[in-house]
Amino acid sequence: ETGVTQTPRHLVMGMTNKKSLKCEQHLGHNAMYWYKQSAKKPLELMFVYSLEERVENNSVPSRFSPECPNSSHLFLHLHTLQPEDSALYLCASSQERADPTIQYFGAGTRLSVL
Amino acid sequence: KNQVEQSPQSLIILEGKNCTLQCNYTVSPFSNLRWYKQDTGRGPVSLTIMTFSENTKSNGRYTATLDADTKQSSLHITASQLSDSASYICVVSANSGGSYIPTFGRGTSLIVHP
Repeated sequence: ETGVTQTPRHLVMGMTNKKSLKCEQHLGHNAMYWYKQSAKKPLELMFVYSLEERVENNSVPSRFSPECPNSSHLFLHLHTLQPEDSALYLCASSQERADPTIQYFGAGTRLSVL
Repeated sequence: KNQVEQSPQSLIILEGKNCTLQCNYTVSPFSNLRWYKQDTGRGPVSLTIMTFSENTKSNGRYTATLDADTKQSSLHITASQLSDSASYICVVSANSGGSYIPTFGRGTSLIVHP
């Protein structure tokens, strides 16, 4: 266990559905991240939160909406997704946002968009 | 454009043998280089992190090297075990005022056969 828990582990949704991914870290970290991992592609950093404030948004479509209500929880709200959004979505946390820093990853949510 | 290239794309070896994975990068300005291990169905786990001044770093049977002049890194696995079967990801961070700006490689898929 890395101390970062993601739910659900698997999710199948239609293009008109609305769903949310949840991430919780029990490490006392101040920074949290969302990544997208598609087959045969490098990991893509989507969002960065530091002390509950969004500090980076790497040109992610608006159909992905992050939320960080406190330093331990991170959500990714999904709506009107496309089939190409099917991927493994990984959450990570680190003590702080400054580099170098060791990130701890959750096991991910495998998302399939039909 | 910052890029990280890993080779080989995949590798099959017999248990007990050694192997070396390669990572070439064009990230600038360089901050640090990390190697992650990602088991199937799991999130990445950090193996090593090296800054500009470090040439080599070990973590058990894993030894990473860094040549900042040629912008190359290698990950050497000694006396491989079945549990080493995983994807190994090289990540290079650019230095931007202390912020974490990573560039990910596509990973090398390693399979260790008994």
